[in-house]
Amino acid sequence: EAAVTQSPRNKVTVTGGNVTLSCRQTNSHNYMYWYRQDTGHGLRLIHYSYGAGNLQIGDVPDGYKATRTTQEDFFLLLELASPSQTSLYFCASSEGGRNTGQLYFGEGSKLTVL
Amino acid sequence: QQKVQQSPESLTVSEGAMASLNCTFSDGTSNNFRWYRQHSAKGLEVLVSIFSDGEKEEGRFTAHLNRANLHVSLHIREPQPSDSAVYLCAVSTSNTNKVVFGTGTRLQVLP
Repeated sequence: EAAVTQSPRNKVTVTGGNVTLSCRQTNSHNYMYWYRQDTGHGLRLIHYSYGAGNLQIGDVPDGYKATRTTQEDFFLLLELASPSQTSLYFCASSEGGRNTGQLYFGEGSKLTVL
Repeated sequence: QQKVQQSPESLTVSEGAMASLNCTFSDGTSNNFRWYRQHSAKGLEVLVSIFSDGEKEEGRFTAHLNRANLHVSLHIREPQPSDSAVYLCAVSTSNTNKVVFGTGTRLQVLP
């Protein structure tokens, strides 16, 4: 049973479009993360959160908003999508503390912006 | 801002030969290090975690940490073709819980 579930798994939109990527975790973890993965860049941190209503800025936040509505749910919002945001997006959760870095990943959401 | 760099970008080894991957980080307060493996843009699996200087072995995977040199490495003993994947190091500090990944090393193991 998947503990971190992302949706949609694949999304195609046009430049200027509005996209919401969803992530739900059933690990009861405090921390949730959104990363993007592009060839040559590894995983880059967009935003992360340590609980409902909290948001921390990652390393590549421009063009992205995020919202943590509950302990389980973390959303990534692209309000004016651009082709540079074409990427594979991963959500992850973590217990935090000494287990910081022990991330449990979703299966990824592939976004194409035409 | 934490910078995490990995080298080499790609590595080809023969089955059974040792594979060595490197990771350097910029924040000397980092205290939490993990190596992940990713097969073909799929999910990531943790291979080994290390929190203090020295080495940590998990099966055929051994991590070495030298915080003074801002360096952590991964050594894969007797690699197999099924070990062909992208390897990512993850660096974090337990007080911020911000987890930064390196740029990745693509490993190919030839039979």
